[in-house]
Amino acid sequence: GAVVSQHPSWVICKSGTSVKIECRSLDFQATTMFWYRQFPKQSLMLMATSNEGSKATYEQGVEKDKFLINHASLTLSTLTVTSAHPEDSSFYICSARRGGAEQYFGPGTRLTVT
Amino acid sequence: AQKITQTQPGMFVQEKEAVTLDCTYDTSDQSYGLFWYKQPSSGEMIFLIYQGSYDEQNATEGRYSLNFQKARKSANLVISASQLGDSAMYFCAMREGWNAGNMLTFGGGTRLMVKP
Repeated sequence: GAVVSQHPSWVICKSGTSVKIECRSLDFQATTMFWYRQFPKQSLMLMATSNEGSKATYEQGVEKDKFLINHASLTLSTLTVTSAHPEDSSFYICSARRGGAEQYFGPGTRLTVT
Repeated sequence: AQKITQTQPGMFVQEKEAVTLDCTYDTSDQSYGLFWYKQPSSGEMIFLIYQGSYDEQNATEGRYSLNFQKARKSANLVISASQLGDSAMYFCAMREGWNAGNMLTFGGGTRLMVKP
């Protein structure tokens, strides 16, 4: 089956620092990757759609300069949370589309900003 | 208006019984896809089942089946013979349009708890 990995699985950082989260499709090429954010006991909210070799498309209300997305290759997309603040603490999940109907989700990254 | 509505925040079911998780959707597109995902406490999203808007038969995958009622715009998930490992959050999601690269919109989720 299709496997998507995320690294790190959890991270604690200090307020004001930046954190990079990687999303990799391990056994397929993903032309499109998606980044979601999930607060405790809430649903997933799409942050941005990332296409290989082009700029990400951000959802309304998501700050482009704060959440930097780079989709450098067909198997890797990165999300960098710049100048993180405690309110950025959340569960970040990526997904990748292989070409069929479903999206394959990564295991998620839990970010805690102190 | 909410595109995906899951009206049951939490549900209990007895082990080995069947359970139905409700999902209604709102779209003006003729072509769309409906998905169900399971999210255990570990956080990962596990794909369960998919129904395309033009699929004439209800989708089935093992113990999971999707009760697709197009006129009512509902796509309920039925889990037969519940197991303790089925305890998790369940999300219904929709993708609108032809393009498989379109985004998914998720419902608020239903927490299912299976009692031994």
